This record gives sequence, structure tokens and C-alpha cells, in this order.
Amino acid sequence: DIQLTQSPSSLSASLGDRVTVTCRASQSVTTYLNWYQQKPGKAPQLLISVASTLQSGVPSRFSGSGSGTDFTLTISGLQPEDIATYYCQQSYSTPRTFGPGTKVEIK
Amino acid sequence: QVQLQESGPGLVKPSETLSLTCTVSGGSVTINGYSWSWIRQPPGKGLEWIAHMYYGGNANYNPSLRSRVSILVDASKNQVSLNLSSVTAADTAVYYCARDKRFGGLDYWGQGTPVTVSS
Repeated sequence: DIQLTQSPSSLSASLGDRVTVTCRASQSVTTYLNWYQQKPGKAPQLLISVASTLQSGVPSRFSGSGSGTDFTLTISGLQPEDIATYYCQQSYSTPRTFGPGTKVEIK
Repeated sequence: QVQLQESGPGLVKPSETLSLTCTVSGGSVTINGYSWSWIRQPPGKGLEWIAHMYYGGNANYNPSLRSRVSILVDASKNQVSLNLSSVTAADTAVYYCARDKRFGGLDYWGQGTPVTVSS
């Protein structure tokens, strides 16, 4: 199975800050890496697929990059509505696996 | 707009079998290039992928659950079902169904159904 790690596990940032979350895979997933946002009590929402493809309706302040084993989710200008937990997930092979999540809070 | 709606018993006794249904509307479960997945989230914890299946295809399971789980895609009802046998308290979680675009992520999710395993 492909294991995913995320760092940091949590972060606190000010409104307007640039926030970066990293995801590392135990083996190459090429670009088959997706990012989700989950707000409390809600289902996760797909933000970015295939490492860097922004989903329809997702604000352009979100971006993704990377390939192989190392990936990054960036929020360029943190907004109050971005408070959530962010998960990476690989769709390169089964079983599909998720990272442990990164909780983003406002400082 | 594709919508997914999970349904389930809410409370299950230890050692029993949990049966969940996901009803899909606004689209067909037979759509090419998409599989149908189940994911769960224990209270206060992260997401765990359980299984997925393409209509008419083979199922894939999380190895940690493979001996206890089965998934079915039913075109006649436009539903996806999940059975999990011999449940324990460790199976207490919110269970989500989701549509999985081949290589492209889980693009539609249900709102989730909470399941508690308790006597």
C-alpha cells in the first residue's frame, strides 16, 4: 500500500497569509494526487485533482503542485472560510489512501 | 447535478452485519470512467478508504477490511451498497459514499451517515 504523510499536522496563520501544506508518498504516484477540504460536520470537498487541476468553483487562491512523491497545497491569502482540515489522497493505485490531515486555524 | 444520499441503521450491535445504501440521483451508476467508493471517518479521526467498484467490474477493498466487507453497484436501483460483517466498536464512524473519477479523485460525496456499534 502507498502511505501518505502530511506536514504540518496543524498550523495557525493570520488572515491574508500564504499557507503551505505538504504531502509525501511512500512511492511515486506520478501526478495522481488529490487534495480535499473538510469543514467540521461536513463531507470532504475535492479542491484539486491530479496534483494541480483546480476543481470548478474552487477559489483561485488554492493551488497544487508536485509529482512523484512530493506535493504541495498552497493557499495564497488565507480567508476565514478556509478554516478546515485538508487531506491529500492518492488515486494511483488501490487501495486508495489518504494522508492524516492538516488542520488550518486562524492566529 | 449528481447527488449521493447514504442511508443506514444508525446503531448496530457488536458481531452483527452493517448494511449501508447510497442512492445516486442526477446521474447513472453505469457511467463510464467512474467508480463508486465508500469511505469512513471515526469520531475525531481522519478518512479511511474502504472499497470501490466500477459498474460491471471487479471490486477493490482495503486490505485491513477485505475479509469482512463487500460492495455492490446496482444499476436497476441506481444504488451502491456496502456490507460490513462482524462489526466491533472500532467500526463506529461516519460512512460516506463518493464518486471516484478514474485517476481524478472523489468528485461527489454524500453527506455521510453516522454508525454506532454498541450493545
